[in-house]
Amino acid sequence: GAGVSQSPSNKVTEKGKDVELRCDPISGHTALYWYRQSLGQGLEFLIYFQGNSAPDKSGLPSDRFSAERTGGSVSTLTIQRTQQEDSAVYLCASSAPAADTQYFGPGTRLTVL
Amino acid sequence: SQQGEEDPQALSIQEGENATMNCSYKTSINNLQWYRQNSGRGLVHLILIRSNEREKHSGRLRVTLDTSKKSSSLLITASRAADTASYFCATDPWGWGKLQFGAGTQVVVTP
Repeated sequence: GAGVSQSPSNKVTEKGKDVELRCDPISGHTALYWYRQSLGQGLEFLIYFQGNSAPDKSGLPSDRFSAERTGGSVSTLTIQRTQQEDSAVYLCASSAPAADTQYFGPGTRLTVL
Repeated sequence: SQQGEEDPQALSIQEGENATMNCSYKTSINNLQWYRQNSGRGLVHLILIRSNEREKHSGRLRVTLDTSKKSSSLLITASRAADTASYFCATDPWGWGKLQFGAGTQVVVTP
C-alpha cells in the first residue's frame, strides 16, 4: 500500500515568507508526528496528533510554527516569517492505532535564503 | 534536546564484516527503536525492543538492551554495500510516540 507522502519534496523560500508543508499519512493511521532534522540539532520532535485529541505541541520551537490536521488525515505544518535557522528537512510520520512503529515520509527539504 | 548518544559517529567496514553501533540514553524508557536513513531523507524502521526485553533478532540485525546501563547496541551481520546509511536509535520515554533520537552512526560498507 501507499506509504506516508510529503509535499513539496524541496522548498526554497526567502527569509520572512510563510511556507506550508503537507503530509499525507498512511490510511487508517490515527497518530501523526512532525519532526525536524537539521545539522545543528539532529532529529527533533515538533508536534503530535492522536485521533481527535488536542495536539501535543510541546516540541514546536516558536510561535511561528503551527500545524493542523484536517479530518484526522492530512496535516499541514505552517512556518510563518521564515528565518534562516528554519532551514532543515521536515519529516512526517504516522502510526497505526496502539502501535509503536512509526512510518516516515521522504521529508521536505526547506531552504530559507 | 536529544535523548541519546550514539557511538561511533562513523564506521567504515568491508562487505561481509559485522557492524556494531551503540546507543546510550538518559531517562527510563518504554521502548527503544532503531531506524535507518539513506541520503538524509526518510527514515526506515528496523527493529523495536521493549524495556522488558534484553535481545531481539530480525534477519541480519541483532539488538540488545541493557536498561540498567541505559544502553542498546545494534549489530548488522555479514554487511552489504546496501547497508550503507545512517543509523539512529530512538527512545520513547513516555509511551506516546514522541521519539527522542540519537545523533546517529554513519556506516559505510565498501565492496
